[in-house]
Amino acid sequence: DVKVTQSSRYLVKRTGEKVFLECVQDMDHENMFWYRQDPGLGLRLIYFSYDVKMKEKGDIPEGYSVSREKKERFSLILESASTNQTSMYLCASGLTGRRTGELFFGEGSRLTVL
Amino acid sequence: GNSVTQMEGPVTLSEEAFLTINCTYTATGYPSLFWYVQYPGEGLQLLLKATKADDKGSNKGFEATYRKETTSFHLEKGSVQVSDSAVYFCALINLTGGFKTIFGAGTRLFVKA
Repeated sequence: DVKVTQSSRYLVKRTGEKVFLECVQDMDHENMFWYRQDPGLGLRLIYFSYDVKMKEKGDIPEGYSVSREKKERFSLILESASTNQTSMYLCASGLTGRRTGELFFGEGSRLTVL
Repeated sequence: GNSVTQMEGPVTLSEEAFLTINCTYTATGYPSLFWYVQYPGEGLQLLLKATKADDKGSNKGFEATYRKETTSFHLEKGSVQVSDSAVYFCALINLTGGFKTIFGAGTRLFVKA
């Protein structure tokens, strides 16, 4: 089975702190994604990457950056956390070719910014 | 642009009732359509998919048919169980727009014993 592992299930940070969310997948997928999930808004794409060192902005990239130095690892960085970034963050990896769009998700990281 | 609209929840049903969760989409070209399910405390899992018009995706008793004429992909199940209680997300990917999967807002389902 594909496994996508997010480093922290729950984090509490203070406004202005730098926050790292780590995600590792074990199935050699080219594509990786970071979404945030908020009630009533569903999942919104922050950033995605289709190859090592490649990244593309999603729909809500402001206030975030990402890093993909190795194929299996995709990190989300909040340079200076703010209270409006309190949310559930979901990492996913995905297939290409005829199975493009099939995503495998981690369990999520719930971030609270005080 | 591409978008997905699904019915607001929560939906509350008794065990063995029939389930329909409506989903409509806006997209140019021929997107692939998906339903994902999120059980409490877990990440999303792919439930079923359809890649072209009139395709029917099915899994675990759930099914959905890709209707291009009505731009819809409604999720149905003939007899729900308590274990089906979860949040259901409709999603699409339009390869002309790259690798971005677009999700609806989600519909929470409660099934009572």
